Amino acid sequence: GAGVSQTPSNKVTEKGKYVELRCDPISGHTALYWYRQSLGQGPEFLIYFQGTGAADDSGLPNDRFFAVRPEGSVSTLKIQRTERGDSAVYLCASSLIRSTEAFFGQGTRLTVV
Amino acid sequence: AQTVTQSQPEMSVQEAETVTLSCTYDTSENNYYLFWYKQPPSRQMILVIRQEAYKQQNATENRFSVNFQKAAKSFSLKISDSQLGDTAMYFCACHAQGGSEKLVFGKGTKLTVNP
Repeated sequence: GAGVSQTPSNKVTEKGKYVELRCDPISGHTALYWYRQSLGQGPEFLIYFQGTGAADDSGLPNDRFFAVRPEGSVSTLKIQRTERGDSAVYLCASSLIRSTEAFFGQGTRLTVV
Repeated sequence: AQTVTQSQPEMSVQEAETVTLSCTYDTSENNYYLFWYKQPPSRQMILVIRQEAYKQQNATENRFSVNFQKAAKSFSLKISDSQLGDTAMYFCACHAQGGSEKLVFGKGTKLTVNP
C-alpha cells in the first residue's frame, strides 16, 4: 500500500474488555514496530518484528499485551483485560530491513472507560 | 540504554522567523542515528531530518538543519523561515546500531508558528 495503515482510528472500550489493533505495513517492509504514546509523552517502544518473528518484545509492559504477525505483513496488537492506564495512542511503523527510516501510521487512539 | 531529553515543552515563533529546538541524548553505542520527527494533529509521525553519528557534517533538508555536537551529545533542530504549517509537536529520537532496532524518543516540544 501507499503508507502504513492502522485500524481502527479510534477505539473506546470498557475496562476489562479485550481489544485488537491492526497494522498494515508498507508492502515489502519486513520490519514492523509497535509504539505506545501516552498523553504528553513521546512514543515508547513495545515490540519489533523481523518478518513473522518478534525480534525484540522487551517493551511490552506485561503479559496482557501480545502481538502477532503470522504472515510477515499485517500485525495485530492484542490487549487483554484492558485497564484505564492502557489508554494511549498506539503507533505502528514499518521499514525495510536494516533501514533506519521508519514510516509511521496515524495510530489508533485507545480509550478505556 | 539510550535516553533522549527535550527540555523545552513549548516554543513559539513568528512566521518567517527562525527557531531552534534543543535535544540532548545519551547512548553507549558508537554507531547511532539521530532523528527529528514532526507530529501534527493527524498523529502521524513524519521524518524531518536524520543525522548519522559518524558524519561530522550537519544534515540539512531545505529549511531544516541540525547542529550536531557529538562530544556534548547535543542535537538541535533549526527551522528557518518558519511557516504556519510547521506548527506541530517535534520529537527528537535516537536509534543505536547493533542493539535493538527501536527508536528512543524524547518527550517532545510543541511548536506554534504565529501569523
